[in-house]
Amino acid sequence: KAGVTQTPRYLIKTRGQQVTLSCSPISGHRSVSWYQQTPGQGLQFLFEYFSETQRNKGNFPGRFSGRQFSNSRSEMNVSTLELGDSALYLCASKRTGQVGEKLFFGSGTQLSVL
Amino acid sequence: TQLLEQSPQFLSIQEGENLTVYCNSSSVFSSLQWYRQEPGEGPVLLVTVVTGGEVKKLKRLTFQFGDARKDSSLHITAAQPGDTGLYLCAGDERARQLTFGSGTQLTVLP
Repeated sequence: KAGVTQTPRYLIKTRGQQVTLSCSPISGHRSVSWYQQTPGQGLQFLFEYFSETQRNKGNFPGRFSGRQFSNSRSEMNVSTLELGDSALYLCASKRTGQVGEKLFFGSGTQLSVL
Repeated sequence: TQLLEQSPQFLSIQEGENLTVYCNSSSVFSSLQWYRQEPGEGPVLLVTVVTGGEVKKLKRLTFQFGDARKDSSLHITAAQPGDTGLYLCAGDERARQLTFGSGTQLTVLP
C-alpha cells in the first residue's frame, strides 16, 4: 500500500508570491491534516479535511487555505508569502476522523521564502 | 505557549548509554502518542498509550503514561546510532486534533 505522497519535495519562492502544495493520502483514508514544522515552534496544526469538508482549523492567518477533492487528495495554498512562512509543511492522513487514531505522515514539502 | 513541554530539547550521548525523554503538560489527555522523525522524513508513530500508569515496551524503548494522564516518558536502553532522530509526543485532549510537543532531538554517537 503506497504511503502519503507530498509534492513537490522542495520549493523556493520569493516574498509576495503564492504557493500550492499537494498531498495524496493513503488509499481509503478520508481525513487529511496539514502541519507546519519549524525549528522553533515544532509541529503546528494548520487544518484538517474530512470528506471534502474542513473540520478543524488551527491558529493561522487567512493567507493559509486548503481544500480536499472527492478522491481525498488535498491541496494547501499560501498567498502573499512572508519570510516567516519558510518551513517544512507536512501532510498526514488517517482512515477515519477519530482524534486519537494513528496519523500517517508524508515526507513533507520544504518551502523556502526568499 | 506549548501545551506539551518536552525535555530535554537536545540530547547527545554515546552508543550504549541509557536515556530518558519527558513530555509534560498541565492538561489531562485521553491518549498520548510518541513519534520519531528522521531527517528528510515525516514523523512515524512508535506507540500510543491510553491508560494512566500504562507501560509499553518496543524492543529497547519503554514508554510510560503518568497515573494522572498528564505526562509521559520515553526511556531508551543501550542507545544505538539508529535511534538518532527527533522524538515527538502528541496528546489527544478530546480536542479536534492532536497537539504536538516541541520535540527532543537525540543524537547517538558511535
